Amino acid sequence: GENVEQHPSTLSVQEGDSAVIKCTYSDSASNYFPWYKQELGKRPQLIIDIRSNVGEKKDQRIAVTLNKTAKHFSLHITETQPEDSAVYFCAASRSGGTSYGKLTFGQGTILTVHP
Amino acid sequence: DTGVSQDPRHKITKRGQNVTFRCDPISEHNRLYWYRQTLGQGPEFLTYFQNEAQLEKSRLLSDRFSAERPKGSFSTLEIQRTEQGDSAMYLCASSTNGLAGFNEQFFGPGTRLTVL
Repeated sequence: GENVEQHPSTLSVQEGDSAVIKCTYSDSASNYFPWYKQELGKRPQLIIDIRSNVGEKKDQRIAVTLNKTAKHFSLHITETQPEDSAVYFCAASRSGGTSYGKLTFGQGTILTVHP
Repeated sequence: DTGVSQDPRHKITKRGQNVTFRCDPISEHNRLYWYRQTLGQGPEFLTYFQNEAQLEKSRLLSDRFSAERPKGSFSTLEIQRTEQGDSAMYLCASSTNGLAGFNEQFFGPGTRLTVL
């Protein structure tokens, strides 16, 4: 089955700096890669996703890049703000057969943005 | 609130007791997923429904676990003879049957289970 590795496990930055979180996946058939933000005691919320036919996607201060050959994808947050502090999870899934949409998550990155 | 809802939000039980959780997905979503999240880890897939059909179950789902979605709307997850290792957050998510399988999963607030 799919295995997703996420690094780093913790990341501390100063407000205004950039933050980068990296994930690798093992299943070359995976074709959908979402990123979720989870604040303490709250549900995971999708912040951005990318599909395997796209190499990069940007939404305001957040961007995701995908390298299918190397099987890794990254989350980039620019101009970080204290409200960006949370746990971030990457995930991977494949379409087709009975595995439609089943997500395999990374271990999470605790991001702390210091004012 | 028209999002995914789960009930109860918290459940404390004694080892050996049975517990049942409920998930109400977003009304037009025909896909429903159950995940389990332990402290400091990402959610782990448990099972998946397309309408009322349970199409996939993880090996994590032992014989003590059963899930249903009788009318293709709400779903229940039952754990029989609970063990301390079952203590976790149980998350439900739903999605539409998106084009080529790409579909955003919306998560519920979860049910936190504590087994004493």
